[in-house]
Amino acid sequence: GAVVSQHPSWVICKSGTSVKIECRSLDFQATTMFWYRQFPKQSLMLMATSNEGSKATYEQGVEKDKFLINHASLTLSTLTVTSAHPEDSSFYICSARGSLTGELFFGEGSRLTVL
Amino acid sequence: AQSVAQPEDQVNVAEGNPLTVKCTYSVSGNPYLFWYVQYPNRGLQFLLKYITGDNLVKGSYGFEAEFNKSQTSFHLKKPSALVSDSALYFCAVRGRISGNTPLVFGKGTRLSVIA
Repeated sequence: GAVVSQHPSWVICKSGTSVKIECRSLDFQATTMFWYRQFPKQSLMLMATSNEGSKATYEQGVEKDKFLINHASLTLSTLTVTSAHPEDSSFYICSARGSLTGELFFGEGSRLTVL
Repeated sequence: AQSVAQPEDQVNVAEGNPLTVKCTYSVSGNPYLFWYVQYPNRGLQFLLKYITGDNLVKGSYGFEAEFNKSQTSFHLKKPSALVSDSALYFCAVRGRISGNTPLVFGKGTRLSVIA
């Protein structure tokens, strides 16, 4: 089946630095990717919808200047957490919708810890 | 607006016994319904989905779910639980609005299968 890859799986950074998380669709083209955030023992909260070649659509309450999303190609979307703070520590999961079947596939997630 | 309710935070079942994880939904029009499983520090793995057709959907690892339109439910079931089924289970829904409609997740139910 289709695979979505996220990198890095784990990242630890100092407060104030920026972290980039990549989401790649490995064997299909994804015109749309979704970024979710998951706090411990909680559900996935949609952060934004990333559309190839256009600006991302952010959910209410998500700071677009804080969480920069770029979807430059049909196989890659990136989420950059700018000037990270400890409260940004979370598990970030991306998903991509296959262009043929419309099936939604999820990455393995990226755990961010901000010290 | 779309929403999903998973009324149980935790479900405990003995190995070999049948299990049920409950899910109810609210969506405009006909729904697409999904179940995903998440193991610790991992992304989501697809179990099964209901799009149309037979109300009883069979999925991966022996799981099945029954779509009940009158009760707006999509409970996950398995006839005989395994210890390896212990994980976090998410029910998700999206309306058939467009291909870019994201999934809305329930809060998750932690299944614990006891040997």
